[in-house]
Amino acid sequence: AQSVTQPDIHITVSEGASLELRCNYSYGATPYLFWYVQSPGQGLQLLLKYFSGDTLVQGIKGFEAEFKRSQSSFNLRKPSVHWSDAAEYFCAVGVGDYKLSFGAGTTVTVRA
Amino acid sequence: NAGVTQTPKFQVLKTGQSMTLQCAQDMNHNSMYWYRQDPGMGLRLIYYSASEGTTDKGEVPNGYNVSRLNKREFSLRLESAAPSQTSVYFCASSGLAGVAKNIQYFGAGTRLSVL
Repeated sequence: AQSVTQPDIHITVSEGASLELRCNYSYGATPYLFWYVQSPGQGLQLLLKYFSGDTLVQGIKGFEAEFKRSQSSFNLRKPSVHWSDAAEYFCAVGVGDYKLSFGAGTTVTVRA
Repeated sequence: NAGVTQTPKFQVLKTGQSMTLQCAQDMNHNSMYWYRQDPGMGLRLIYYSASEGTTDKGEVPNGYNVSRLNKREFSLRLESAAPSQTSVYFCASSGLAGVAKNIQYFGAGTRLSVL
């Protein structure tokens, strides 16, 4: 069965510092991969997606993610974090029939 | 451009009461989904509808029913609410063609408390 693991439940980062959120998946076929962000009290917004091709994908709000097949990973990065990036981040894998399997999420706190 | 609209935004129920959560999308999407979000568990799929006229169970369907009323609307019903159904419920939709069918767009959520 497919699964998505986000090893870090909570990350605290200083404003202006870099951020990396980890995501590992277990899936038998070539996956579709997504990162979503959820601000407090809001729904989920798509940050970026990987379907095929270039393994480094760019998203909105200055985020990027790199697909590494050998490590079954799809880590999210941002070079310089802003206070508005404080949110919960979810990695998801497309598992066929258009369904998504989500990780448990990583909460990011940004300190001044 | 509304996207995915969920009503109500908040609801408090007593154990045993019933209610229906409403969801509508205006993006002409074929597929719609209901998730529940609980702390530390991410989002879990309750039911989905791949196309108008079809519905299928997801990961956690027990205690819920759904209706795909038309292409735009997909409702979730709790017949006899239980405290274990206290959660945040999200509706999502996806559609169009090719790999874009895998991109899901989410509503703002319904926060439900069952006492």
